[in-house]
Amino acid sequence: EDQVTQSPEALRLQEGESSSLNCSYTVSGLRGLFWYRQDPGKGPEFLFTLYSAGEEKEKERLKATLTKKESFLHITAPKPEDSATYLCAVQAETSYDKVIFGPGTSLSVIP
Amino acid sequence: DAGVIQSPRHEVTEMGQEVTLRCKPISGHDYLFWYRQTMMRGLELLIYFNNNVPIDDSGMPEDRFSAKMPNASFSTLKIQPSEPRDSAVYFCASSLGGGWETQYFGPGTRLLVL
Repeated sequence: EDQVTQSPEALRLQEGESSSLNCSYTVSGLRGLFWYRQDPGKGPEFLFTLYSAGEEKEKERLKATLTKKESFLHITAPKPEDSATYLCAVQAETSYDKVIFGPGTSLSVIP
Repeated sequence: DAGVIQSPRHEVTEMGQEVTLRCKPISGHDYLFWYRQTMMRGLELLIYFNNNVPIDDSGMPEDRFSAKMPNASFSTLKIQPSEPRDSAVYFCASSLGGGWETQYFGPGTRLLVL
């Protein structure tokens, strides 16, 4: 069964303290992996798409990487405004119409 | 652009009542998606439309749920009759071309069924 898990469930960082969020997946062939940011009371906002192992994408303090079994979202020198829930989702090769979302990691960055 | 607009933002109803959630997609977008988000199950795709036609409704949990898109600028998600387990945040999203990375989400409707 296709599945997506994320860890940790919640992460509390001091401003400037770099860390990584993990997204592990099991799918029958990966078509794409997506990262989203979700602020409280709002819908998810797209961040990155990764398609193949070894691929990396960067945006400001965020960098997403992909292996055959997992993806990492690295946050370098985070700021309080990076506080949000980060969701990853996968699209299987056999299921163009479906994406499976992970439960998310709630990130809090303390000034 | 105003983005995806959803109404109401909050809805409290009693079990057995009919609930109608509304969505106005971004002008010019040809895909519209309905999602449900709960703590237990996370974010789930319920149904999506392309050019006002339902393409995949396999995520709709049961026959109590129905969705329509009568024109390019309006869609509804109806629950009849509602049950407490339907309590969730319902998101509408739209995109141009259907790509998952090009979806823009609305602010959601928080539904509580008592």
